[in-house]
Amino acid sequence: AQSVTQLDSQVPVFEEAPVELRCNYSSSVSVYLFWYVQYPNQGLQLLLKYLSGSTLVKGINGFEAEFNKSQTSFHLRKPSVHISDTAEYFCAVSGRGSYIPTFGRGTSLIVHP
Amino acid sequence: NAGVTQTPKFQVLKTGQSMTLQCAQDMNHEYMSWYRQDPGMGLRLIHYSVGAGITDQGEVPNGYNVSRSTTEDFPLRLLSAAPSQTSVYFCASEATGRMNTEAFFGQGTRLTVV
Repeated sequence: AQSVTQLDSQVPVFEEAPVELRCNYSSSVSVYLFWYVQYPNQGLQLLLKYLSGSTLVKGINGFEAEFNKSQTSFHLRKPSVHISDTAEYFCAVSGRGSYIPTFGRGTSLIVHP
Repeated sequence: NAGVTQTPKFQVLKTGQSMTLQCAQDMNHEYMSWYRQDPGMGLRLIHYSVGAGITDQGEVPNGYNVSRSTTEDFPLRLLSAAPSQTSVYFCASEATGRMNTEAFFGQGTRLTVV
């Protein structure tokens, strides 16, 4: 069994400020980890993924995430956000060999001018 | 470069009616899946398929049927719609099904059951 907890349902931030969206997971097996972004009235788009190797993963649009196995976390960060980053962000986990990923409940990032 | 195409984009049904949500992909992906998205619940997997002729249940399969007769198409059927099935539905495809490649999502179907 696996689960994902996104610790914040909403994160307001001012433009050009840094942001961190937090994600914790639990799983009895090794996992793949993902962050997806959903803009209003759109489907989900992959930001980045961790499969193996370096624990610091860089994605699109200046986002990065760090896999911390001991803390079972995969937090998403961006050093300077833009208005256009306003969206819903989903963390997801999939056990290696599994066909069934689990998504978190989402974090709404709201960037104020 | 169509990717994953879902139709319709919006639908209103009366309780007890049936309908089929269509999903097609042109990337020759083996794995396809259906999710529902409800406020504060994230995405929950309804059914998935690892190839033509092979389907299996996800987390919330009750009230939904699927079939996969071709690699390209993966329709989702509601046999007798209920208000609890009011949701936004997303279809996704991925090359391997092991989530080690990128999953591509459709634009969604917003379904209201009255």
